[in-house]
Amino acid sequence: EVQLLESGGGLVQPGGSLRLSCAASGFTFSSYALSWVRQAPGKGLEWVSSISVSGGTTYYADSVKGRFTISRDNSKNTLYLQMNSLRAEDTAIYYCAKGTVTAVYYGVDVWGQGTTVTVSS
Amino acid sequence: QSVLTQPPSASETPGQRVTISCSGSSSNIGSNTVNWYQQLPGTAPKLLIHRNNQRPSGVPDRFSGSKSGTLASLAISGLQSEDEADYYCAAWDDSLNGYVFGTGTKVTVL
Repeated sequence: EVQLLESGGGLVQPGGSLRLSCAASGFTFSSYALSWVRQAPGKGLEWVSSISVSGGTTYYADSVKGRFTISRDNSKNTLYLQMNSLRAEDTAIYYCAKGTVTAVYYGVDVWGQGTTVTVSS
Repeated sequence: QSVLTQPPSASETPGQRVTISCSGSSSNIGSNTVNWYQQLPGTAPKLLIHRNNQRPSGVPDRFSGSKSGTLASLAISGLQSEDEADYYCAAWDDSLNGYVFGTGTKVTVL
């Protein structure tokens, strides 16, 4: 069974940093693109970032470009999201999601349960 | 602001059919495949339809997807109370170089 388990969320002050992790199991981690998607309280889904199977190509939403960095460690079956210069509008549940195939262009299928990030003073 | 537009709500009585539209453009729906997700209250989204009209294993055949040009649709036939949820379309956008989600549609079973 494919499982994705996010961790690292919490309360952080504006301007602060957090590093989210997503531990994966149940599939060949290195064969799939991966993504982060967030959902602000009471709002819809917002794509944040995606990464290719090798980690060599990354994609970011304009809202986080220059502040967030996605990475992966295929030896540890783990996806990361380094979040810097956090703003109140970054407050959301952050979901880790597995790509449907190798390429990022076909979207995601399996989602983790999410980790909550709250940016507030 | 999402580039994929969905109606905010849809409702129907049990057993009936409801259809949700997802309007995009040539850079997303017009040139890439569409996925649909179901999000039950308080839970993570679940893939319902991928590659426009393909159902993952375990998804009932009451759910069907279609795409024509820059418009995609999700149909739910034989509506059941457990279908009450938020539904989102999504597609890769070649101009934004990112994955875009629809605005979301809340389905209510009357």
